[in-house]
Amino acid sequence: KNQVEQSPQSLIILEGKNCTLQCNYTVSPFSNLRWYKQDTGRGPVSLTIMTFSENTKSNGRYTATLDADTKQSSLHITASQLSDSASYICVVSASGTYKYIFGTGTRLKVLA
Amino acid sequence: NAGVTQTPKFQVLKTGQSMTLQCAQDMNHNSMYWYRQDPGMGLRLIYYSASEGTTDKGEVPNGYNVSRLNKREFSLRLESAAPSQTSVYFCASTQALDGYEQYFGPGTRLTVT
Repeated sequence: KNQVEQSPQSLIILEGKNCTLQCNYTVSPFSNLRWYKQDTGRGPVSLTIMTFSENTKSNGRYTATLDADTKQSSLHITASQLSDSASYICVVSASGTYKYIFGTGTRLKVLA
Repeated sequence: NAGVTQTPKFQVLKTGQSMTLQCAQDMNHNSMYWYRQDPGMGLRLIYYSASEGTTDKGEVPNGYNVSRLNKREFSLRLESAAPSQTSVYFCASTQALDGYEQYFGPGTRLTVT
């Protein structure tokens, strides 16, 4: 069964600190993996996309990694800001289909 | 570019009432999707449209109907609302199927009492 699991469910950190969010997936055949940021009351917005051959992708203070062998991805946030408070959703696409499999998200709160 | 727009933003219905959620995109995308988002669950696909003139069921289609009115617009209809349909509904669009980036609307928060 195609699944995407994220951990932790929620996380609280102080402004300026780093954090890492995890995503494990069992999706086959794998096409790509995206991390989305969803602010409260808004739709998800794409942060990064990674294909099978990519190990690392950065977008400003966000760095995503992918290990296709172990089917794990992480999103590292450096020097967190209050505006990073949001849910972060891992989404995996199955190749050749319409299917986007969504994780349940990690809710991050950054405190001043 | 407005991207993906949805109306209304909020709606309260009584059980048995009907309504249509509207979605439009101005990015000339071929594929469009309707999702629902419930607490503690990932987004679940209700229906999708690969291209103008086609629609297909997703994971949770029961109680819903859709219309791909033209390339820009994709509407979701609840014929007889039930409390189990209380959720946040998101419309999304992509250039095509198969892994392209999805662009999401702002969502419609629906409560059925």
